[in-house]
Amino acid sequence: NAGVTQTPKFRVLKTGQSMTLLCAQDMNHEYMYWYRQDPGMGLRLIHYSVGEGTTAKGEVPDGYNVSRLKKQNFLLGLESAAPSQTSVYFCASAGQGAGNYGYTFGSGTRLTVV
Amino acid sequence: RKEVEQDPGPFNVPEGATVAFNCTYSNSASQSFFWYRQDCRKEPKLLMSVYSSGNEDGRFTAQLNRASQYISLLIRDSKLSDSATYLCVVNIGGNNRKLIWGLGTSLAVNP
Repeated sequence: NAGVTQTPKFRVLKTGQSMTLLCAQDMNHEYMYWYRQDPGMGLRLIHYSVGEGTTAKGEVPDGYNVSRLKKQNFLLGLESAAPSQTSVYFCASAGQGAGNYGYTFGSGTRLTVV
Repeated sequence: RKEVEQDPGPFNVPEGATVAFNCTYSNSASQSFFWYRQDCRKEPKLLMSVYSSGNEDGRFTAQLNRASQYISLLIRDSKLSDSATYLCVVNIGGNNRKLIWGLGTSLAVNP
């Protein structure tokens, strides 16, 4: 059981380049999330999805787009990368049901924009 | 006031010590609570959920005080491997299942 898989793990982009980060989960979870984590800032929600075909903005959505065409995949796109988007990006998923509502995270993508 | 507040630390303790972290939250409608652990340059991992009656998992005990709006984590008999950042997390409810994350408390357990 792989859980949540993020690709790529590392990437260096030049300012203005575009890229897509892929998140895949095999737990049949309805909810998926993209976060960024910067020193001293904690985890900040970029976008999230409550089910296949749905997306919504989090606290820091500017400069990013997302798509959830299949339930198991949640893509994060950077159309024109900026140095301010240098960060560690985490994808997470969560299922339905009572009890533990915690998230399962992927191992992260370290992105540097130069 | 931040929605979830934690003392950033660092807490430096010797092996075998007992250490406690507190976390306060501002939304009285918060529905569920968690402690996550994050190792350096790794993803957060769920340590334990926090139930109204309090709960224990081995050396770890979590408690919730709704009246004062705080949760706590107690670690007994600290191990070197407990060194990490501990994140307090609150679910304020709703269908979007969004969690509110504290900035974390850093723990260093020393030999």
